[in-house]
Amino acid sequence: NAGVMQNPRHLVRRRGQEARLRCSPMKGHSHVYWYRQLPEEGLKFMVYLQKENIIDESGMPKERFSAEFPKEGPSILRIQQVVRGDSAAYFCASSPDRQTNYGYTFGSGTRLTVV
Amino acid sequence: SQQGEEDPQALSIQEGENATMNCSYKTSINNLQWYRQNSGRGLVHLILIRSNEREKHSGRLRVTLDTSKKSSSLLITASRAADTASYFCATDAGSGTYKYIFGTGTRLKVLA
Repeated sequence: NAGVMQNPRHLVRRRGQEARLRCSPMKGHSHVYWYRQLPEEGLKFMVYLQKENIIDESGMPKERFSAEFPKEGPSILRIQQVVRGDSAAYFCASSPDRQTNYGYTFGSGTRLTVV
Repeated sequence: SQQGEEDPQALSIQEGENATMNCSYKTSINNLQWYRQNSGRGLVHLILIRSNEREKHSGRLRVTLDTSKKSSSLLITASRAADTASYFCATDAGSGTYKYIFGTGTRLKVLA
């Protein structure tokens, strides 16, 4: 069981470029959550997805950010026209069901640096 | 407003000593979790305690929950240098919701 896999581990983008972050949940997990961590801060909820459905995107900025979890393949968090303030660590977590009675399993994160 | 806030923000102790970290929250919860994050790495789930539980143990970890005070504590006994990390509490908003709210963490440094 490979756990939650995120790639890339580090991503450098120039202002105005697009960033694509990928997350493959644990085997058997169909619920994916994206969180963002700014330096020296805790994690902030961004979006919750199930296969082919966005359940809750209340934590995601309305502009430039989008997320998907297609029927096949990893979940993708896309940030268009990145700005310096997007520099952060982005973590993905997965669970087998909506009720997280056993805690999340997090990936190692993607550290995005916008230059 | 912050749902979970850890205290202290930073803690430095000698190897072998116990480390206690506290977490306070504001609204009713269904459960509370503690996570560890090593520098530059992802979060590792340590313990989940439900609102009807008062204490839980896992190895050298002991977690307490006081719902009347809306607070939890994480005790690491006989600390080791490898325990050096940031520790976060995460709370849901009650009713088993999926959305967890993390505090800003306690940065623990264990000196060898």
